[in-house]
Amino acid sequence: DGGITQSPKYLFRKEGQNVTLSCEQNLNHDAMYWYRQDPGQGLRLIYYSQIVNDFQKGDIAEGYSVSREKKESFPLTVTSAQKNPTAFYLCASSPRVTNEKLFFGSGTQLSVL
Amino acid sequence: QKEVEQNSGPLSVPEGAIASLNCTYSDRGSQSFFWYRQYSGKSPELIMFIYSNGDKEDGRFTAQLNKASQYVSLLIRDSQPSDSATYLCAVTNTNAGKSTFGDGTTLTVKP
Repeated sequence: DGGITQSPKYLFRKEGQNVTLSCEQNLNHDAMYWYRQDPGQGLRLIYYSQIVNDFQKGDIAEGYSVSREKKESFPLTVTSAQKNPTAFYLCASSPRVTNEKLFFGSGTQLSVL
Repeated sequence: QKEVEQNSGPLSVPEGAIASLNCTYSDRGSQSFFWYRQYSGKSPELIMFIYSNGDKEDGRFTAQLNKASQYVSLLIRDSQPSDSATYLCAVTNTNAGKSTFGDGTTLTVKP
């Protein structure tokens, strides 16, 4: 089945620790995105990538980093510089750069220990 | 002012009624408009999209777009309890290559 796989489903971070969230898609989509969702709020864009080996900062990129070494993969690292990382993280993809119909993974809930 | 604003909820309607969800946006260069449904604890799923002024119908759902007023809405006819969810409005300026989301409106359909 085609889709977007995020892992893990739940993740706990200790203070000062970097953690990496995985996102893999087998839809052959060009564009991939990372969003953060806080309770009762909409989605805020962290980073996006329109092509392999290239990515752009979104609205709230501070404290996060990404890579796009393969078309299928777009991992997100939450660094220790992100002081308030507790949130629901959603990875999404779209078929073309200009086609913004987003297909979402199942999400990762990140909490701080 | 937020780039995308949705009518504050929660919105409660009886089963069988019409639910009306509204969204306004500030970027006049926006070209594509989307409605996503998100059940509690789950990821959003696309239910409607519209690119041109007017109405677009798909089953019980109708999306309406008025670019002059910078307004997009979603009507759900014959609302069912299974429609109870948060509805997110997303607006895209294709030149920017990304979507901006509203905060969502939570809909409850009471049996």
